Amino acid sequence: LAKTTQPISMDSYEGQEVNITCSHNNIATNDYITWYQQFPSQGPRFIIQGYKTKVTNEVASLFIPADRKSSTLSLPRVSLSDTAVYYCLVGDMSDYGQNFVFGPGTRLSVLP
Amino acid sequence: SQTIHQWPATLVQPVGSPLSLECTVEGTSNPNLYWYRQAAGRGLQLLFYSVGIGQISSEVPQNLSASRPQDRQFILSSKKLLLSDSGFYLCATSKQGGGYGYTFGSGTRLTVV
Repeated sequence: LAKTTQPISMDSYEGQEVNITCSHNNIATNDYITWYQQFPSQGPRFIIQGYKTKVTNEVASLFIPADRKSSTLSLPRVSLSDTAVYYCLVGDMSDYGQNFVFGPGTRLSVLP
Repeated sequence: SQTIHQWPATLVQPVGSPLSLECTVEGTSNPNLYWYRQAAGRGLQLLFYSVGIGQISSEVPQNLSASRPQDRQFILSSKKLLLSDSGFYLCATSKQGGGYGYTFGSGTRLTVV
């Protein structure tokens, strides 16, 4: 299992760009990197997934360097509603997902 | 797209009472199914996963059990609840052989008193 390390918490202000970095030094060749967002009393919600370089969707961007030992989730112009816990998961999607391990995540607080 | 139905949303049960939480999935066949538990302010802990009917794997020894009587139905049970069983229980599914990760249900907040 590829263990991940993320900051426990981050603060930001509305309208700013937020970058959350996840370290995964033991990432394996077949592992993908997936980010989830969780609001209180709700299940985590898929945000973005990538394997290498850069992935962008309507919600976020994911930057993965060539060595893949870390990844950065970028949230452009955050709003108060982006206050949530963000999880970085690393695992082999072809292995039916059972080796995905959710760490404590990063608690993002967006301030007015 | 996949949809997960999980109920009830909240549950208060006395110590020693039984438990049955149900999860059903729509929009897919032969899904992988998971039960997670989240203690207050903590990350998610994988309890059980299933890759098919009657196939259950346990990640953590405990007084909980899981069953999969139908392809898209996953049940979490206990014969006698403990105080330590309190938490937020989440059912999740992922596609067989890959896909884009998990889809989670809305969760059940269990309080054992």
